[in-house]
Amino acid sequence: GESVGLHLPTLSVQEGDNSIINCAYSNSASDYFIWYKQESGKGPQFIIDIRSNMDKRQGQRVTVLLNKTVKHLSLQIAATQPGDSAVYFCAENHIWAGGSYIPTFGRGTSLIVHP
Amino acid sequence: DVKVTQSSRYLVKRTGEKVFLECVQDMDHENMFWYRQDPGLGLRLIYFSYDVKMKEKGDIPEGYSVSREKKERFSLILESASTNQTSMYLCASSGLGQGAYEQYFGPGTRLTVT
Repeated sequence: GESVGLHLPTLSVQEGDNSIINCAYSNSASDYFIWYKQESGKGPQFIIDIRSNMDKRQGQRVTVLLNKTVKHLSLQIAATQPGDSAVYFCAENHIWAGGSYIPTFGRGTSLIVHP
Repeated sequence: DVKVTQSSRYLVKRTGEKVFLECVQDMDHENMFWYRQDPGLGLRLIYFSYDVKMKEKGDIPEGYSVSREKKERFSLILESASTNQTSMYLCASSGLGQGAYEQYFGPGTRLTVT
């Protein structure tokens, strides 16, 4: 079946290092890919998205890379800070028959940043 | 500021009770979603609604029902709660058109069924 999965459930880094969180997806028909950040006690929050016709997109301290050949998505966080500690989810989105986007979420990676 | 609110942050119910989880959004979004979140399993879609009184089953609808009588409100109903429904429940909403793939989430309701 279709699935979105993550390679590493937990990633520990030192403050100031760069972090890379990976995600594999299986639905080649997905239109958009999104990374969400979920802090403790809160709902997931949008970080950055990338459309399926792009390879790379940059935001503030974050970069998302999309490799459609191997169906792989990654989130790079530059100069990781303690405030980046959270669970990160990737989600692939496809258009449902009614015109709405329906996401499929990965299992999540817990990022722990040590001061 | 965009807002999705859920009626309770924590809820404890007994097996067999009927449970209502309420979600309200103030963004005039067409789409609303209910997920459950369990450790190591990510977010799994229970039901979604694309319009008032319209609903579609997600990946794990068994044991749940939903109601959307008004555009801003989406309710999740556990007809007869069971211990395997102990979980974190997240509500989300999204619009149509530009940026419609982005979902806005509520803070979650942690439900414990004893």
